Amino acid sequence: QKEVEQNSGPLSVPEGAIASLNCTYSDRGSQSFFWYRQYSGKSPELIMFIYSNGDKEDGRFTAQLNKASQYVSLLIRDSQPSDSATYLCAGETSGSRLTFGEGTQLTVNP
Amino acid sequence: KAGVTQTPRYLIKTRGQQVTLSCSPISGHRSVSWYQQTPGQGLQFLFEYFSETQRNKGNFPGRFSGRQFSNSRSEMNVSTLELGDSALYLCASSQTIMNTEAFFGQGTRLTVV
Repeated sequence: QKEVEQNSGPLSVPEGAIASLNCTYSDRGSQSFFWYRQYSGKSPELIMFIYSNGDKEDGRFTAQLNKASQYVSLLIRDSQPSDSATYLCAGETSGSRLTFGEGTQLTVNP
Repeated sequence: KAGVTQTPRYLIKTRGQQVTLSCSPISGHRSVSWYQQTPGQGLQFLFEYFSETQRNKGNFPGRFSGRQFSNSRSEMNVSTLELGDSALYLCASSQTIMNTEAFFGQGTRLTVV
């Protein structure tokens, strides 16, 4: 089992819809989780991080963490074509290093 | 505030050669981590340095090595290059150890021919 797994993509949503990106992790000791956005040919850009159970909102983005279910998600409300990118979920695993999922490619159609 | 700077941006090397990549973290950041990104494997952790000490190492062969200097700048070295080493090498910096926000540089695209 991979330490961090993301739901397989690609994911396509119409403009204005909610995009839901999901991630599960295997290390129960993981405390911190991060969502990165990576545009094609660019480096990953940190968009959200979450440490506590529950929801964390930042503008159109909401990160959700459920430690009991070992589940992390990212919701993007009012999706825009500029949100089209690969979204990477990362968890702080053993030894305080970041382990990344494979990424989910999101396309927002105008 | 300047971001994470990686040099060079692009590199072409021949099999068997060695290469050194450089990373300057954000000012004030003391932790630097290196990742390899390939289409098939995604982002794979190479190693992490904090205060000139390697704190963590991923599952890569000994041909991959790194170091960190007193000014927090870091270098990674790959010796005896193989075709499979072709990848985007990313450096990330954070203020302390990696359970705080990490910011990536633009990466070095290495092509081994």
